Amino acid sequence: SQQGEEDPQALSIQEGENATMNCSYKTSINNLQWYRQNSGRGLVHLILIRSNEREKHSGRLRVTLDTSKKSSSLLITASRAADTASYFCATDDWGAQKLVFGQGTRLTINP
Amino acid sequence: EAGVAQSPRYKIIEKRQSVAFWCNPISGHATLYWYQQILGQGPKLLIQFQNNGVVDDSQLPKDRFSAERLKGVDSTLKIQPAKLEDSAVYLCASSLEGGSAGTQYFGPGTRLLVL
Repeated sequence: SQQGEEDPQALSIQEGENATMNCSYKTSINNLQWYRQNSGRGLVHLILIRSNEREKHSGRLRVTLDTSKKSSSLLITASRAADTASYFCATDDWGAQKLVFGQGTRLTINP
Repeated sequence: EAGVAQSPRYKIIEKRQSVAFWCNPISGHATLYWYQQILGQGPKLLIQFQNNGVVDDSQLPKDRFSAERLKGVDSTLKIQPAKLEDSAVYLCASSLEGGSAGTQYFGPGTRLLVL
């Protein structure tokens, strides 16, 4: 089964800056989801984007999807210390009724 | 709304011992998932239930792992006998919808260390 690959593996920025993480995948998808995981709150769903959508917003989050390049990006604007976490993209396969998670990007926001 | 509950939170066992994890999903969620997350990696699906039927267990090591979901609510995941490489966090999740289109809600996980 395919797996999303996040890039970079680790990212460290100053508070207030924007953070961009990328996810690439191999085969056609129905949808792509982003999740966040930190020690305090476990794994939490952030946003779902369907294959016929190109961009979605949720608060300070912006997700784009380019199905021709088989890639997605997650942008966090005006980062805060609380955004420190690992971020995972999760994809499905056409016909497969399950999510496959990538390895994640570890984001550190420095005060 | 209560979240997904898991117990225990931590477990340390010796190799070749057995261990069981318990999960109580969000009320009304028909779909329940067990994931294994090894340190530094993303979660890997072990088994997916729709009510009390198995939808996908293709990545479950069936020679040592077993899972059941009695009455379509709570679920238990068992490892017998455990190996060193089973050291990981075991995550339970549930969703209203089945498949890959629904939002999955995760429990806090059970951290297993096999010595």
